[in-house]
Amino acid sequence: EPEVTQTPSHQVTQMGQEVILRCVPISNHLYFYWYRQILGQKVEFLVSFYNNEISEKSEIFDDQFSVERPDGSNFTLKIRSTKLEDSAMYFCASRGPSSGANVLTFGAGSRLTVL
Amino acid sequence: AQSVAQPEDQVNVAEGNPLTVKCTYSVSGNPYLFWYVQYPNRGLQFLLKYITGDNLVKGSYGFEAEFNKSQTSFHLKKPSALVSDSALYFCAVRDIRSMDSNYQLIWGAGTKLIIKP
Repeated sequence: EPEVTQTPSHQVTQMGQEVILRCVPISNHLYFYWYRQILGQKVEFLVSFYNNEISEKSEIFDDQFSVERPDGSNFTLKIRSTKLEDSAMYFCASRGPSSGANVLTFGAGSRLTVL
Repeated sequence: AQSVAQPEDQVNVAEGNPLTVKCTYSVSGNPYLFWYVQYPNRGLQFLLKYITGDNLVKGSYGFEAEFNKSQTSFHLKKPSALVSDSALYFCAVRDIRSMDSNYQLIWGAGTKLIIKP
């Protein structure tokens, strides 16, 4: 069964450093998402991406965040200068092109720890 | 305001007994409703969805959920629980503000399901 893969599974970084989280969505999917889950809290929407541009973004997704689909297969989330409160599990998801494809398929997540 | 509520932080069930994980929602229009499961150190796995049609939907691993419009509920059920069902369960609803073609989800806080042998 097709999967969404995410790397790294866990990254530890110092406050102020740049972090790039990588995702490989399912190959024929067209809609891509990043969500995050701070430990013990709800899953929160960050951003959606379609046709090589951001479709929607939440209030969390400020100027420190950016997304990119550099080569047609990878979908990356960059945090320019990490803060302690960025520590969370970050989930990538993708969704297919057909009208019946209402389901988001999630990756296993990347745990980011900011020290 | 749109929201999803999972009123129980934790549900404990003995193996072999039926289980119910509750979810209520508040959203205008026709909701798209989802259940996802998260096993330890794993991602969110899709279980089932309600978009339209029959109010009782069946999903993976023997789970089912019933859409009740009058009670704005979408409770997750299973007739006979297994120890391996122990996990974190999330209810989610489509954000009605999103475009139909590209929407995002609003999530409940999650319910920890513990099945004891």
